[in-house]
Amino acid sequence: DVKVTQSSRYLVKRTGEKVFLECVQDMDHENMFWYRQDPGLGLRLIYFSYDVKMKEKGDIPEGYSVSREKKERFSLILESASTNQTSMYLCASSDRGPWETQYFGPGTRLLVL
Amino acid sequence: KQEVTQIPAALSVPEGENLVLNCSFTDSAIYNLQWFRQDPGKGLTSLLLIQSSQREQTSGRLNASLDKSSGRSTLYIAASQPGDSATYLCAVPEYSGGGADGLTFGKGTHLIIQP
Repeated sequence: DVKVTQSSRYLVKRTGEKVFLECVQDMDHENMFWYRQDPGLGLRLIYFSYDVKMKEKGDIPEGYSVSREKKERFSLILESASTNQTSMYLCASSDRGPWETQYFGPGTRLLVL
Repeated sequence: KQEVTQIPAALSVPEGENLVLNCSFTDSAIYNLQWFRQDPGKGLTSLLLIQSSQREQTSGRLNASLDKSSGRSTLYIAASQPGDSATYLCAVPEYSGGGADGLTFGKGTHLIIQP
């Protein structure tokens, strides 16, 4: 079974802090994704990556950056956390190509005070 | 970019009923369509993926259909059970020629099965 793990289930941070959300997949997938999920807005794509050291902006990249130093690990970075970044963050991975199933992690619920 | 719509937004039915969830998308040039389940506060679990060349896909009591030309998909749940209570999401992939560009999701149908 594909396993996608996220480093924390819940996080509480202060405004202005630098926040790291980590995601690891164990299936040697090329593609990895970060989404956020908000009531009424649904899931929206923040960043994605086709391969190591590659990154592409999604629909809402402002205020975020990413890092992919190893194939299995994809990190989402909030450079200076703000209250409007309070959300549920979901990581996913898939094999090469848009025709492949995406597998999701359990999510990290982030509260920025 | 795709727009994905799910109707109804919420549904409550008695246990044992068969039910249909609807998903529509604006651009028929899709590779596939994926149905997910999400329990409260949890991540997404993939239920079914229908490739563009397929019309139906079945897993247990779940059957998903796809009509690309009309931009519609349905998820049929037979003999519903209280454990089916969850939010069901449909999604289609975006693709710009590189790898996969992520999924565009509908906002989901919140399903409650009454015991």
